[in-house]
Amino acid sequence: GENVEQHPSTLSVQEGDSAVIKCTYSDSASNYFPWYKQELGKGPQLIIDIRSNVGEKKDQRIAVTLNKTAKHFSLHITETQPEDSAVYFCAASRETSGSRLTFGEGTQLTVNP
Amino acid sequence: GAGVSQSPRYKVAKRGQDVALRCDPISGHVSLFWYQQALGQGPEFLTYFQNEAQLDKSGLPSDRFFAERPEGSVSTLKIQRTQQEDSAVYLCASSQRAANGYTFGSGTRLTVV
Repeated sequence: GENVEQHPSTLSVQEGDSAVIKCTYSDSASNYFPWYKQELGKGPQLIIDIRSNVGEKKDQRIAVTLNKTAKHFSLHITETQPEDSAVYFCAASRETSGSRLTFGEGTQLTVNP
Repeated sequence: GAGVSQSPRYKVAKRGQDVALRCDPISGHVSLFWYQQALGQGPEFLTYFQNEAQLDKSGLPSDRFFAERPEGSVSTLKIQRTQQEDSAVYLCASSQRAANGYTFGSGTRLTVV
């Protein structure tokens, strides 16, 4: 089955700096890669996703890049703000009916004001 | 409703007790997933429904876990004879298409004492 590894497990940045979180996956058939933000006491919230037919996707301060050959993808957050502080999870799946998401272990991002 | 609703939010069970966790998905969402999230880890897949059909239950950790979605909307996850290792947050997610744009509920935190 799929295995997703995520690094780093914790990340502390100053407000306004950029943050980068990296994930690798093992199943070459995976073609859908979402990122979730989870705040304390809440469920994961989808913030951005990318499919294997594109290499990069951007939404305001958030961007995701995908390298299919190397089987890794990354989340980039620019101009970080204290409200970006949360746990971030990457995930991978085959985007077919009934396909489960396999999640990474999570990254605790702290943005210091 | 506007989001995925789970109840109860918190459940404390004595070891050996049976529990039932409820999920109300977003109206019209065909796909429904249950995930288990241990403290400090990413969510792990338990089971998947397409309408009322349980198409994948390969993630259920033992035969003490049972899920149903009899009318293709509300789902219940039942755990019989709870054990301490069952302590976790149980997350429900729904989507119009499997693996695409899941919306998670806030989860039920189960503590077995």
